[in-house]
Amino acid sequence: EAGVTQFPSHSVIEKGQTVTLRCDPISGHDNLYWYRRVMGKEIKFLLHFVKESKQDESGMPNNRFLAERTGGTYSTLKVQPAELEDSGVYFCASSPTGNYGYTFGSGTRLTVV
Amino acid sequence: GENVEQHPSTLSVQEGDSAVIKCTYSDSASNYFPWYKQELGKGPQLIIDIRSNVGEKKDQRIAVTLNKTAKHFSLHITETQPEDSAVYFCAAVSGSARQLTFGSGTQLTVLP
Repeated sequence: EAGVTQFPSHSVIEKGQTVTLRCDPISGHDNLYWYRRVMGKEIKFLLHFVKESKQDESGMPNNRFLAERTGGTYSTLKVQPAELEDSGVYFCASSPTGNYGYTFGSGTRLTVV
Repeated sequence: GENVEQHPSTLSVQEGDSAVIKCTYSDSASNYFPWYKQELGKGPQLIIDIRSNVGEKKDQRIAVTLNKTAKHFSLHITETQPEDSAVYFCAAVSGSARQLTFGSGTQLTVLP
């Protein structure tokens, strides 16, 4: 079984530019989550999809972040325009219905300069 | 909301010794407590978890204990090996929510 795939693995952009991160969850996993780890701190929740619907987006920092999940499959997280404080590692995770067993991707390291 | 505190932030042990990492949580409604291991360049990987109706769980060299009254849970690694070196995160899930609230992580170094 393929795991959770994220790309790119690294992205360096200038302040004010736009970046789009992509996550392909494990096939059949209805739950998809985005998390972020900033500056070596704790990993923080951003949002949760159930299929194509946003179940909880309480962790999204501001309206510069836009997440979508097309047809309940892959998800994208767009940051527009990027700010310096957006730098960090963005993780995607997925889990099947009724199961807390998350599987995380390897993350996208975003650096805004 | 839930708040999880994790200690220590760094831990060095000699190969073969035991390592203990401790976490406390604030929300008495939390009912699921996983532990993740993160190696360099990889995402967090679930190594063991415990639910609130269980006090202890063991899987080979790894064990987790939960004290619901005191709202704390701990990870115990026995007979440590160099490949155990990584960052370890505790987490909690509160009630019907599905989001994980993480601790700040512990960098474990096992010295050969």
